[in-house]
Parts: sequence; structure tokens; C-alpha cells
Amino acid sequence: EVQLVQSGAEVKKPGESLKISCKGSGYSFTSYWIGWVRQMPGKGLEWMGIIYPGDSDTRYSPSFQGQVTISADKSISTAYLQWSSLKASDTAMYYCARHYVAYDSSGYYCWLDYWGQGTLVTVSS
Amino acid sequence: QSVLTQPPSASGTPGQRVTISCSGSSSNIGSNTVNWYQQLPGTAPKLLIYSNNQRPSGVPDRFSGSKSGTSASLAISGLQSEDEADYYCAAWDDSLNGDVVFGGGTKLTVL
Repeated sequence: EVQLVQSGAEVKKPGESLKISCKGSGYSFTSYWIGWVRQMPGKGLEWMGIIYPGDSDTRYSPSFQGQVTISADKSISTAYLQWSSLKASDTAMYYCARHYVAYDSSGYYCWLDYWGQGTLVTVSS
Repeated sequence: QSVLTQPPSASGTPGQRVTISCSGSSSNIGSNTVNWYQQLPGTAPKLLIYSNNQRPSGVPDRFSGSKSGTSASLAISGLQSEDEADYYCAAWDDSLNGDVVFGGGTKLTVL
């Protein structure tokens, strides 16, 4: 059974750093892209970026490039989302999700087939 | 402002058929496949439809998806109270480096 288990809720102050995690199990962690999705309070889903643990190839949404760092440790099947200096506007629920990605002459096939339970990050002074 | 456009709300009575639209452009829906996600209150999103019209194992056949040009639709027939949720469309977007873009979400209310 495929499972993505995320780290617990965090309460931080502005300017602090943070690294949250997402541990995959039940599948070959190095064979699928894994990424992060933000959901601010009462708002919709925003795709942040993905990493391919097999070779650490990483892609970011332009909206999040330079704001966060996505990484992975394939030895422990875990992906990470990291901030160096949090802002109040980073308060949100963050979901990790396994991505199926393929490409042919019809275009890109990309869907998020398994999701973690979410990590709530609260940034407040 | 989301790249893909969905109506913010939709509603129906039990047993009815409802549809939710999703409008995009040539760089996303027009050239790549569309997926739909269901988010029940207080839970993580779940893949509902992938590759325009495919249902993952366990998703009832009451849910169906279609795509035409730069638009897509999700249809729910035989509406049930447990279908009350937020629904999001998404697609790969070829612009810039390439990324996944979501619709703003549609809140479905079962009256």
C-alpha cells in the first residue's frame, strides 16, 4: 500500500527556519516524482514544485522559486520542504504528493495520485 | 488569480446530475491532459479523474470527465450527500519551465 506520512504541525516565529518532511512507503521512492502543494487558510491548491529522488532533479513553480527549497534523501525515502526565513504569509497547510509524470506526442501526463495527510505550518509573532 | 478557471460554487439535489467546468489555454489544457481532485472537508485532496476521463480504482462511475480544446468538465450523476466537497481541476502547463497549474476550486453543495 502506497503511503505518504508527513511530519507534525509546526508553530514558528517570523524569521525562523523550518524543514518539514514526507516519508514514502509501499513503492519505489526513487522511481516517481514527489512534490509539494500549498493551501492557505480558506483558499485553493497551489503547486510549489517537485523533485525526482532518483537523481535529485528539481523543478519549482515560478511563484515559489527562491522562496523554498525542495530536497530528498533517497536512503530513507523522505522528501523535504524547507524555508530559511519564514513569513506570516507562509501560514498554510502543506501537502506532499506523489506525481505520475509521462510524456508522449499527445503532451504531458501528470497527476498527483497519492497525497500525504498534510502539515499545518503557523507563523506568528 | 488561478491559471485555470472554475466556477466558485455549484449545487444540486440528491439524484441530480451536476457538471463543473474548467477553462484553460493552449499551454495547459489545450496541449496536456486534465485531472480532477476531490477535497472533502478537513481532509487531504484525492485524485478523482486522471488523463481527462480515467477513474482510479475505487472511484464510482458516477464521476466522469471530458475535455474539448482548452476546456474540461467534471460530471457527477446520481448526486449523493457525501459528494459535498471542493473540486479542483489541474493540468501540466508548458509555459516557462513547465509546472502544474490548478483551478481555483468549486465548492459543491448538495441541497
